[in-house]
Amino acid sequence: DAKTTQPNSMESNEEEPVHLPCNHSTISGTDYIHWYRQLPSQGPEYVIHGLTSNVNNRMASLAIAEDRKSSTLILHRATLRDAAVYYCILRDGTTGNQFYFGTGTSLTVIP
Amino acid sequence: GAGVSQSPRYKVAKRGQDVALRCDPISGHVSLFWYQQALGQGPEFLTYFQNEAQLDKSGLPSDRFFAERPEGSVSTLKIQRTQQEDSAVYLCASSFWDRGNEQFFGPGTRLTVL
Repeated sequence: DAKTTQPNSMESNEEEPVHLPCNHSTISGTDYIHWYRQLPSQGPEYVIHGLTSNVNNRMASLAIAEDRKSSTLILHRATLRDAAVYYCILRDGTTGNQFYFGTGTSLTVIP
Repeated sequence: GAGVSQSPRYKVAKRGQDVALRCDPISGHVSLFWYQQALGQGPEFLTYFQNEAQLDKSGLPSDRFFAERPEGSVSTLKIQRTQQEDSAVYLCASSFWDRGNEQFFGPGTRLTVL
């Protein structure tokens, strides 16, 4: 299973942008990049995913490096409700159904 | 519509007891997944169903763990002769199709084995 590396923790001020990095140097051509987040005492929730091109949705943006060996989740204006553990996950697009989570990045939002 | 629900939300068992954890996926979702999350760790994959068929059980830690989904909807994760190392949050997720990009997770069942 392709692995991802994320910082253990990050801090951000409220209403400022947050850039959460993820390294995945062993990514294969068929691996999708997924981001999920987990709020305290809840199950993970989907944030965004992509393959090669940058992606935007109502929650966040995903910037994927040209060589696909790294990606960055961008929260445009952090709110207190964005405080969570953010997981960067690779999923094999041809055979993979399950996700292999790492330990994620714990994001603290400072009021 | 309702999301994924799990019951019970909390379960305390004495070592050696059998437990059964229930997952009600989103109606119409073909795929169902079970994960185990130890304290301070990310979720770890246990097993996967497509309808009633268990297609992957490679993550089950021992033969004390058994999962079923007999009618392709509700699923039960059973742990026999519980051990203290089984203490964790057990998460269930469902998705519309087998390679669907979004999995919808339930709130989890926190199992504590004394």
